[in-house]
Amino acid sequence: NAGVMQNPRHLVRRRGQEARLRCSPMKGHSHVYWYRQLPEEGLKFMVYLQKENIIDESGMPKERFSAEFPKEGPSILRIQQVVRGDSAAYFCASSPPLAGGFPQYFGPGTRLTVT
Amino acid sequence: AQSVTQLDSQVPVFEEAPVELRCNYSSSVSVYLFWYVQYPNQGLQLLLKYLSGSTLVKGINGFEAEFNKSQTSFHLRKPSVHISDTAEYFCAVSVQTGANNLFFGTGTRLTVIP
Repeated sequence: NAGVMQNPRHLVRRRGQEARLRCSPMKGHSHVYWYRQLPEEGLKFMVYLQKENIIDESGMPKERFSAEFPKEGPSILRIQQVVRGDSAAYFCASSPPLAGGFPQYFGPGTRLTVT
Repeated sequence: AQSVTQLDSQVPVFEEAPVELRCNYSSSVSVYLFWYVQYPNQGLQLLLKYLSGSTLVKGINGFEAEFNKSQTSFHLRKPSVHISDTAEYFCAVSVQTGANNLFFGTGTRLTVIP
């Protein structure tokens, strides 16, 4: 059973460009979570999605950031007009539909560098 | 609101010595508790979890943790560390009802010295 897949693993963008980060959950998992890890810090929750629904986006910046989890295909975290402060590691986690959504299993992360 | 405090940002320890990584949390409601390990440039791997039942939880790689509700703590322990245990360790909590998101501590870097 493959784990949570994320791609790309590393992404370099110039200021003002768009970044698209993809996450494929573990087989059988229908809950997806996105977290951001700034250098030397712990992970901060961004958004929680189920298929075709955003359940909790309380951790998402109000502008430039969006997330989706379509019926078919991976979940996508999209950052428009990136700025230097967006440089971070972005982790996706997934959990099964039952058992209250725990535990969450994490992917290897996408390291975004904005130049 | 929930919060997690990992008091020690760095813990050096000699190989084969015991180690304890401290975690305290704050929450007005019942919580689930987790420890994750992150090796350099990798994602987080679940070490162990407390959802309910016995307060002493055993995880992978010889780690264990004890949930102490009165002290709101969930300290991680290992009786004898190996070089391969060198990594960043994160404590995380989530409420038992409502939101599913995890709240993470700032991490403790464990360095095992040969």
